[in-house]
Amino acid sequence: EPEVTQTPSHQVTQMGQEVILRCVPISNHLYFYWYRQILGQKVEFLVSFYNNEISEKSEIFDDQFSVERPDGSNFTLKIRSTKLEDSAMYFCASSEGTAYFGPGTRLLVL
Amino acid sequence: GENVEQHPSTLSVQEGDSAVIKCTYSDSASNYFPWYKQELGKRPQLIIDIRSNVGEKKDQRIAVTLNKTAKHFSLHITETQPEDSAVYFCATNGQGYQKVTFGIGTKLQVIP
Repeated sequence: EPEVTQTPSHQVTQMGQEVILRCVPISNHLYFYWYRQILGQKVEFLVSFYNNEISEKSEIFDDQFSVERPDGSNFTLKIRSTKLEDSAMYFCASSEGTAYFGPGTRLLVL
Repeated sequence: GENVEQHPSTLSVQEGDSAVIKCTYSDSASNYFPWYKQELGKRPQLIIDIRSNVGEKKDQRIAVTLNKTAKHFSLHITETQPEDSAVYFCATNGQGYQKVTFGIGTKLQVIP
């Protein structure tokens, strides 16, 4: 059964550094998402992507964040200048109606 | 935007008893209502979903009911087992598939 994959599984970075989180969505899906989950809290929507452009974004997704689909398979989330409060689990998901989640990248900003 | 309220936030039941988790939503255009189970440190996993053209759906010990008029939907787990212990999230899509909004989660503990 196809699955969403994400790399890396863990990322530790210094405050102010740029990070890129990578995802490979399920191949026939058309909608892609990034969510984040601060430890012990709810799953928060960041952004959705369809037809090679952002279709919706939350107030969390400010100018420090960007997404890209650089080729036919990868979907990336870039955080330009990380802050302490960016520490969280970041989940990618893809959908053809039902959203399936990747295993997540645990980001720790020191 | 869509607002999803979920309760209770925590729920403890004895093994074999039933568990019910309830959610309400605000956007009357919502037409898709998935439920996810998240075990500690793992990804949310879809366990059941329902679309607005039906009022109830069942899959073995899990069932979901939807009341579109009242804008609420519920997850029912019967004959609970210790492996049902996890955090359960309700969600809904709002208008279209651009965004899936999650409830705050219910931590279910099944006591052997």
